[in-house]
Amino acid sequence: AQKITQTQPGMFVQEKEAVTLDCTYDTSDPSYGLFWYKQPSSGEMIFLIYQGSYDQQNATEGRYSLNFQKARKSANLVISASQLGDSAMYFCALEAAGNKLTFGGGTRVLVKP
Amino acid sequence: DVKVTQSSRYLVKRTGEKVFLECVQDMDHENMFWYRQDPGLGLRLIYFSYDVKMKEKGDIPEGYSVSREKKERFSLILESASTNQTSMYLCASSLGTSGTLEQYFGPGTRLTVT
Repeated sequence: AQKITQTQPGMFVQEKEAVTLDCTYDTSDPSYGLFWYKQPSSGEMIFLIYQGSYDQQNATEGRYSLNFQKARKSANLVISASQLGDSAMYFCALEAAGNKLTFGGGTRVLVKP
Repeated sequence: DVKVTQSSRYLVKRTGEKVFLECVQDMDHENMFWYRQDPGLGLRLIYFSYDVKMKEKGDIPEGYSVSREKKERFSLILESASTNQTSMYLCASSLGTSGTLEQYFGPGTRLTVT
């Protein structure tokens, strides 16, 4: 069974600082993927970054980077230089075979000016 | 740009009514998915489909059914709505090829069953 856990229900971050969102997972599949999505108050889900289980390097996309520690089964999202527009819900998702996603409960981030 | 549209942003229905939620994508994606989103629980997969006429149960299919008569359209059906189906419903689609299969989401339908 797939399981994914986000232990931080909410957090504040100062504008221009970096923030790390925690995500741990459990799966018995040898091949899997980790996704991060952002959901602003408007409700749409925005894809941020992806890491495959066999990828050698940690994924980066602009200000987003994924700290993937396979042995610890963690895939934390790092947002550098936070902006007010980063205030949103953030979801980590574990991909099983067939592109099925299991989502964590989410972390609400509020960026303070 | 990939576009996934859902028929309604807000919907209010009565207990026992049959409810149809429609989802249409315009990028010829093979895969389509229905999720419900509840606070603290994230998104949970209800049903998904890899092809026309094909459907598979997700993690919480009870009380729901789906229909995919055309590739671009995936409908979620609540046969007899109940108050515990009050939720945000999100549709998503993705390509059916290997690689990074990013799912593209619609804007969501907030359903209230009274």
